[in-house]
Amino acid sequence: GNSVTQMEGPVTLSEEAFLTINCTYTATGYPSLFWYVQYPGEGLQLLLKATKADDKGSNKGFEATYRKETTSFHLEKGSVQVSDSAVYFCALSTSGTYKYIFGTGTRLKVLA
Amino acid sequence: GAVVSQHPSWVICKSGTSVKIECRSLDFQATTMFWYRQFPKQSLMLMATSNEGSKATYEQGVEKDKFLINHASLTLSTLTVTSAHPEDSSFYICSARDGTGPTNSGNTIYFGEGSWLTVV
Repeated sequence: GNSVTQMEGPVTLSEEAFLTINCTYTATGYPSLFWYVQYPGEGLQLLLKATKADDKGSNKGFEATYRKETTSFHLEKGSVQVSDSAVYFCALSTSGTYKYIFGTGTRLKVLA
Repeated sequence: GAVVSQHPSWVICKSGTSVKIECRSLDFQATTMFWYRQFPKQSLMLMATSNEGSKATYEQGVEKDKFLINHASLTLSTLTVTSAHPEDSSFYICSARDGTGPTNSGNTIYFGEGSWLTVV
């Protein structure tokens, strides 16, 4: 079946450090891939998405590229800020459905 | 932008009682809503799909008689955990599909804030 695997946290970085959160997936067909972020006390917010192979999603300095050959969708940011501290979820949705399959979430803590 | 609101955010209930969680779409009509739960250190798992005016569709392994879902209007879905037990303690979150009206957001999915349930 379909699944998403993302690196376990927590991840602790200093401000302005480079961030990578790994995400790999298993799916039949051609899923859409997403990164969601959950700030403390808030709901899930869509951070970025990619709907086909080689697409790059980007938002707020975060980027992720849909790599079909490696079935990956790693999240990166060149310089993190304290305000980026949150839980990040990788997810996929298969064509024609609005059901999401999530990874376990990775907690990021950025220290000033 | 579109907002989905859940209530309550936190709830503690006694074992054997029932608890209701609401999911509201505040500025769009949600023909479909989804309910997820998350156990500690595990993924968000889809429990059921809620369609306005019809019965919910439950995922395999989810007890429909225990987790009652009602989607009585285009802006409200409720999840009732009946005869709750400590193992039902979890994080429950809903999402809503904005797929109606001439200015719809292209079937975008919006998530609520989530609800923490603790059964003691």
